Amino acid sequence: QKEVEQDPGPLSVPEGAIVSLNCTYSNSAFQYFMWYRQYSRKGPELLMYTYSSGNKEDGRFTAQVDKSSKYISLFIRDSQPSDSATYLCAMKTSGSRLTFGEGTQLTVNP
Amino acid sequence: GAVVSQHPSRVICKSGTSVKIECRSLDFQATTMFWYRQFPKKSLMLMATSNEGSKATYEQGVEKDKFLINHASLTLSTLTVTSAHPEDSSFYICSARDIQMRKLFFGSGTQLSVL
Repeated sequence: QKEVEQDPGPLSVPEGAIVSLNCTYSNSAFQYFMWYRQYSRKGPELLMYTYSSGNKEDGRFTAQVDKSSKYISLFIRDSQPSDSATYLCAMKTSGSRLTFGEGTQLTVNP
Repeated sequence: GAVVSQHPSRVICKSGTSVKIECRSLDFQATTMFWYRQFPKKSLMLMATSNEGSKATYEQGVEKDKFLINHASLTLSTLTVTSAHPEDSSFYICSARDIQMRKLFFGSGTQLSVL
């Protein structure tokens, strides 16, 4: 069983839709949770960084962490074509090493 | 925000040659850098952890003599793919840890194509 599970998609939505991306994990030692956005042939870009359970909002993006269920989510409101990318969840314990999900490929259609 | 510069962005080489990829942290000191490999539509696979002034720590299955890592300063780590072969063709990405921000920032990646 993988430590981090993420549905690879692809996910296709119309412009303006609310997008929900999710990851589950099995290692209860994970304390830090991140979402990265990766455009084709580019390095991942950090979108959201959370430590504890709960919600964190930044503009159109909301990250949600539920440690009791070992489940994290990223919501994108009013999605735009420029949001089309691969979204990777990542998590780590107190150390530096990140464990990534497979990534979900998102396409927002105009 | 912190910036990590990776160079070159794309390299095409003949089989048997060696290729060096540089990763620089531009506005912070990075005692730890990471090198990843990514296949098309797949997630990042950690190859090695590069520590400034000491030997890199390689993940299981990664050939140390094939992928040479040097982290000679707090702002620069290099990955050298020695005697490259077509199966080494991949997208290589580095990341650097900003201790103060407690975050990892990624370079823009290097697409290596070995003919």
